[in-house]
Formats: sequence, C-alpha cells, structure tokens
Amino acid sequence: AQSVTQLGSHVSVSEGALVLLRCNYSSSVPPYLFWYVQYPNQGLQLLLKYTSAATLVKGINGFEAEFKKSETSFHLTKPSAHMRDAAEYFCAVSEDSGYALNFGKGTSLLVTP
Amino acid sequence: DGGITQSPKYLFRKEGQNVTLSCEQNLNHDAMYWYRQDPGQGLRLIYYSQIVNDFQKGDIAEGYSVSREKKESFPLTVTSAQKNPTAFYLCASEDDRSPYEQYFGPGTRLTVT
Repeated sequence: AQSVTQLGSHVSVSEGALVLLRCNYSSSVPPYLFWYVQYPNQGLQLLLKYTSAATLVKGINGFEAEFKKSETSFHLTKPSAHMRDAAEYFCAVSEDSGYALNFGKGTSLLVTP
Repeated sequence: DGGITQSPKYLFRKEGQNVTLSCEQNLNHDAMYWYRQDPGQGLRLIYYSQIVNDFQKGDIAEGYSVSREKKESFPLTVTSAQKNPTAFYLCASEDDRSPYEQYFGPGTRLTVT
C-alpha cells in the first residue's frame, strides 16, 4: 500500500519567513500526490496536486510543491508566511490498488508575529 | 452553488445509540468517501462508494454502515458496536475527470457520552 510520512507534527515560523512542510511517500508506481489544508473545525481544502505533469506544482494561496522522484519527496513551500496560513496541512498519495487516498498524519503550522 | 454539505455540524449522543450522519453533494460526482479524523491520526477511510448501490469497506469499517441509494447522498451510520465513536467525521466526493482529487464537506463532530 502507498503511504506518506509527514516529518514534524508541528512547525512554527515567523510571519514573513519561508514555510517548508515535508512529505515523503512510498509508491511502487507513479503516484498522484496532493496537499490539503484544514482550518479549525472545517473540512479539507485542496492546495495543489501532482499528476505526473510538471514536477513543480503551483497551488492556491502562494503555495507550491516539488515532486522529486529520486528523493520520494513532495515538500510544500511558501516564500513568505502570513498569519492566515496557520492551519493543519495534510499530504496524501493515491492508493494503487483502489480509488482512495492515503493521508499523512498532518503538520500543524503555527505562524508567529 | 455546488458543494458538499454535512449535517449537523455538532452531534451529541448517548452510548448505545445508533446515529446517522448526513452527506449530500450536488457536484454530480460518482464517487463518495467517509473519513474519520482523530487528533494526531490524520484521516482514516471508513467506507467509499464508486457508484450508486455499491460501496466498499475502508480501513476502519467495523461499527459503521453506509448506504448509497442516490448519487447525491451517502449517509453514514455509527452503530453501537463502534467502540470509540467520538471523532470528527468528514465526507468527500471525487471528480471523475480528475482521478483521486477529492472535495470535502465541512465535517460533523460527533460526541458520544
């Protein structure tokens, strides 16, 4: 089964600093990869997705992620953090034996003034 | 305005009672999913349905049941057999034109005492 590992359950950055949220995946076939954001007591919102086209994927709210096959990584970045970016972020990978997504355990991003 | 609705937002039940969580979508998506979210656990798949009148167990289906009588609706019943039902429940649907890309509802927080 495909899986993802998100390194760091909590990440804290200062407002204006670089945001880097790490995601490594395991997959025996070319995967579909996703980043979702969740604000408190809300559902998940799609930030961006990788579907074997360009390796650098741009998403909403200034986020982007780079697919690196050699490192089996799909890290999420944003050049300058804003207070409104504080949320839970989930990386997800497609399941090769079915139709579902496998989600990481999430990374909580805290942005300090 | 297309989207996924889940009701109610908050639900309280006594132990030993069955409870049904509603999920409705007007996106015309064939596939729908139910996830359970616990703190620090990420999202875990309960059930999914690729088409009307058909559904499959996910990773943690024990103590839950679903039905898919209409394309728009995918209700989840949490039965008294579920040992630890208190959690945040998320429903999602998938765009057939974009494999694995899931759209989430706002969630239902179930508390069982």
